[in-house]
Amino acid sequence: EPEVTQTPSHQVTQMGQEVILRCVPISNHLYFYWYRQILGQKVEFLVSFYNNEISEKSEIFDDQFSVERPDGSNFTLKIRSTKLEDSAMYFCASSSTGGGLSMYYEQYFGPGTRLTVT
Amino acid sequence: TQLLEQSPQFLSIQEGENLTVYCNSSSVFSSLQWYRQEPGEGPVLLVTVVTGGEVKKLKRLTFQFGDARKDSSLHITAAQPGDTGLYLCAGAIQGAQKLVFGQGTRLTINP
Repeated sequence: EPEVTQTPSHQVTQMGQEVILRCVPISNHLYFYWYRQILGQKVEFLVSFYNNEISEKSEIFDDQFSVERPDGSNFTLKIRSTKLEDSAMYFCASSSTGGGLSMYYEQYFGPGTRLTVT
Repeated sequence: TQLLEQSPQFLSIQEGENLTVYCNSSSVFSSLQWYRQEPGEGPVLLVTVVTGGEVKKLKRLTFQFGDARKDSSLHITAAQPGDTGLYLCAGAIQGAQKLVFGQGTRLTINP
């Protein structure tokens, strides 16, 4: 069964450093997403990406964040200058359709990257 | 701002009992998805409900979408220890691409 994969599973970085989290979405999916989950809190939407551009982003997704699809398979989230409060699980998700076009769409999540900022 | 509230947040019952978890909002959702999340892992999609009043069954799990598409419930019959986990509801908003998640219900089934 196709699945979303993410690397690394755990990333430890020092405050102020740049990190890149990587994801390989399900191969025939066209919409890609990043969410985060701070320990003990809700899963929160960060950004959605379609047709090589950001289609929607939350207020959390400020200038320190960026996303890219550098090739036909990878989807990355870059945090330029990490802060302590960026420590969280980051989940990548993908779907074959997007909410703008379809009444419903099913998002499939990867296993997550645990980011620890010290 | 769309919010989804799940209740109860914690539920611990004995094997064989039935239970219902609720997901409520004042907002209308175009669809609602239920996920199960194990510690340290990503949410795994269980089911999507789309139509108001829709009922879907997945073995001993029954999912219902409210008539007004503002709420949903998950009912488990004859719960088993393997049902233990964190259950999340997530709503899709028409015209948007994000999912709005509830805070989850942590379910423990005791043998």
